[in-house]
Amino acid sequence: EAGVAQSPRYKIIEKRQSVAFWCNPISGHATLYWYQQILGQGPKLLIQFQNNGVVDDSQLPKDRFSAERLKGVDSTLKIQPAKLEDSAVYLCASSVRPTSGNEQFFGPGTRLTVL
Amino acid sequence: AQRVTQPEKLLSVFKGAPVELKCNYSYSGSPELFWYVQYSRQRLQLLLRHISRESIKGFTADLNKGETSFHLKKPFAQEEDSAMYYCALRNGAQKLVFGQGTRLTINP
Repeated sequence: EAGVAQSPRYKIIEKRQSVAFWCNPISGHATLYWYQQILGQGPKLLIQFQNNGVVDDSQLPKDRFSAERLKGVDSTLKIQPAKLEDSAVYLCASSVRPTSGNEQFFGPGTRLTVL
Repeated sequence: AQRVTQPEKLLSVFKGAPVELKCNYSYSGSPELFWYVQYSRQRLQLLLRHISRESIKGFTADLNKGETSFHLKKPFAQEEDSAMYYCALRNGAQKLVFGQGTRLTINP
């Protein structure tokens, strides 16, 4: 089966600019996750969707980050305006459902550099 | 609050030597523990989970609730084992919490 797709793979912007990332999960996966991975750290969950509803966005900096999953399939994550500390790899993952025994499959990530 | 600690950022061993990547966790409930691996230029993928109690690519990990540890072990390292390894915990809210990762290098 096709894996989780993300685009773009790399993005370089200046601080205070806006940026958007796109994710297409594995077909049939109801749960979608966005993670932020800063260099030298493990992935940190930003937001979790179940179909098109938000399950957990407790670690999403809502003053500048937003995400949506219209129609319960593709998702976009936006940063506006970007700060230097947003430089990271943004990972999208999906699973059939969020419960025990359901593996999360990760995309290749988008590497964001904020100058 | 739940936390996953991987004390070694870097680990280097020779081919054929035993490998142990350490992972300690703090969580008040009954945890579900995982090891994820990321090979060079590949995406993050699940290596094994404690509930499966299986050996994958020669790796095993045992959950020790008394020591709150989930160390990853392999008796004889191979060069293709070189990668980043992340220990992760799934909490009651079904959220994955990752450790900082250990970069394992197998020297020929």
